Amino acid sequence: NAGVTQTPKFQVLKTGQSMTLQCAQDMNHNSMYWYRQDPGMGLRLIYYSASEGTTDKGEVPNGYNVSRLNKREFSLRLESAAPSQTSVYFCASILNLDSLSYEQYFGPGTRLTVT
Amino acid sequence: KNEVEQSPQNLTAQEGEFITINCSYSVGISALHWLQQHPGGGIVSLFMLSSGKKKHGRLIATINIQEKHSSLHITASHPRDSAVYICAAPSDGSQGNLIFGKGTKLSVKP
Repeated sequence: NAGVTQTPKFQVLKTGQSMTLQCAQDMNHNSMYWYRQDPGMGLRLIYYSASEGTTDKGEVPNGYNVSRLNKREFSLRLESAAPSQTSVYFCASILNLDSLSYEQYFGPGTRLTVT
Repeated sequence: KNEVEQSPQNLTAQEGEFITINCSYSVGISALHWLQQHPGGGIVSLFMLSSGKKKHGRLIATINIQEKHSSLHITASHPRDSAVYICAAPSDGSQGNLIFGKGTKLSVKP
């Protein structure tokens, strides 16, 4: 199992450019998440997908769109990048252990700089 | 919306010391998560606990639901324990919709 994979690992964009961050998991998990991590702040949820075909906004969705292409893949798109979107982006998926408990598995992160 | 506070922000210890990191949250929850972020940036889930105590190796997590407080303890700390430790609590009832603390940066000196 590769776990949760993300591409690219690093990216530099100019203001106004667009790009898509890719995330895939091979663990057959239903739920997938996109977070951003900024210095001095905790991880913040951008969007999540509880199951294939559904997506929901998290705490900081503005400026982003997502697609749950299939059960494996959950992509994050920046249509017009802004310097405020400079961050490290993490994708995660959830393994349900039982009806009450679960584990989150994180990808390695994508470091994005917008100039 | 839940608010999650961690203390201390930074912690330096000598190898072998007993470490305690604290986490408090504002809204009653069903369970709380502890995660570890390695110096290279990777994030690993350590514990999810809803009551009492959980132990994994030298790591022990406890939670007091009534006091809205959790602690992460590391016994016999080692330099390889140096990392950022993060607690997280559900924002609402949604699984995985978590509010994260800002993390505690632990450095264990040999």
